[in-house]
Amino acid sequence: DTAVSQTPKYLVTQMGNDKSIKCEQNLGHDTMYWYKQDSKKFLKIMFSYNNKELIINETVPNRFSPKSPDKAHLNLHINSLELGDSAVYFCASSQDIWRDPTDRVVGYTFGSGTRLTVV
Amino acid sequence: TQLLEQSPQFLSIQEGENLTVYCNSSSVFSSLQWYRQEPGEGPVLLVTVVTGGEVKKLKRLTFQFGDARKDSSLHITAAQPGDTGLYLCAALSNFGNEKLTFGTGTRLTIIP
Repeated sequence: DTAVSQTPKYLVTQMGNDKSIKCEQNLGHDTMYWYKQDSKKFLKIMFSYNNKELIINETVPNRFSPKSPDKAHLNLHINSLELGDSAVYFCASSQDIWRDPTDRVVGYTFGSGTRLTVV
Repeated sequence: TQLLEQSPQFLSIQEGENLTVYCNSSSVFSSLQWYRQEPGEGPVLLVTVVTGGEVKKLKRLTFQFGDARKDSSLHITAAQPGDTGLYLCAALSNFGNEKLTFGTGTRLTIIP
């Protein structure tokens, strides 16, 4: 069973189109994210949702709109696609792990990515 | 924005050799994680270090968190072709409202 699954795996589309990427996690995690990995493999956070509520929005163009219908799903809709949107988009989820009352770590699980190519 | 610089950016060595990858920043972090990413896949968490000076071992991999919690290193002993991949450090920068920030990455190739 895939813990964090995203679809599609590959997406090729023309400039100006609107597209969506879907993400689902079956880990019971409260927090979900979208990350973008550029051609130099640098991973940058785009959005974070905690229990369906947006908590991080990292100066992403408003052509990108995340939607979380429930805490197991976080979809990403992109309007008016541009050449510069070409990248690999990763969905992730996380849960706090308390090793003791003062020692909290956050475990992240990533999906396998969606390679978006805008032509 | 805190920047995590990794060095080297690329590393290609022979099977059986040892290597060290570094992750440096001017910021203090509440914890730091190391991930390995293989082509066509997402990053997979290897380890989390929390305490300054902490050392963790995962088979042939040794991870260390700097005393001041600003830097970390990953040492691999007797590297094997299966160690090939992109190694990413990542840090939680805010004590409370966490945002995982990734390093610039080290692409490691082990030559059989």
